[in-house]
Amino acid sequence: GAVVSQHPSRVICKSGTSVKIECRSLDFQATTMFWYRQFPKKSLMLMATSNEGSKATYEQGVEKDKFLINHASLTLSTLTVTSAHPEDSSFYICSAGARAGVDTQYFGPGTRLTVL
Amino acid sequence: AQSVTQPDIHITVSEGASLELRCNYSYGATPYLFWYVQSPGQGLQLLLKYFSGDTLVQGIKGFEAEFKRSQSSFNLRKPSVHWSDAAEYFCAVSPGNEKLTFGTGTRLTIIP
Repeated sequence: GAVVSQHPSRVICKSGTSVKIECRSLDFQATTMFWYRQFPKKSLMLMATSNEGSKATYEQGVEKDKFLINHASLTLSTLTVTSAHPEDSSFYICSAGARAGVDTQYFGPGTRLTVL
Repeated sequence: AQSVTQPDIHITVSEGASLELRCNYSYGATPYLFWYVQSPGQGLQLLLKYFSGDTLVQGIKGFEAEFKRSQSSFNLRKPSVHWSDAAEYFCAVSPGNEKLTFGTGTRLTIIP
């Protein structure tokens, strides 16, 4: 099956710094990527939908200036958490698909962000 | 807005026993329905999906799910679990195959 990678797998940063998380589709071109946030013992919450070459569409309540998403190529999307605070600590997951439709999405293994 | 309820936070099953994980959804029409499995260090993997047609859906790894419109349910079943099935299971819905709304997940523990 298709492979989606995320880098880094875990990151620890100081409060006030910015952190970039990469999501790559390794063996297919991803026209659509999704970014999710998973809280402990909670479900995945969709943060934004990203289409290559377009601005990301953010879900209600997600600060677009805090969570910068860039989908610059058909194999790479990045999520930058700007001026991170401890409450941003979470598990961030991306998914990627070769075409529209969530039924064809493949998920990355996730990135654990800890903000001190 | 649609919602998904997985009433069982944690289920423990003996290896070889049958399994049923419950999922109920709230939505005005029949959404697209999914079951995913999440193992540590691995991305969510799609087990099966239902769009329309036969209400009993077969998936990978020996799993199946049955859509019951009258109960707004989409329960996941497996006749005989293996130790490797221990993981977190998520039910999800999508009104138009555009965005996924996940349940809170059910953690499955397998005992020998």
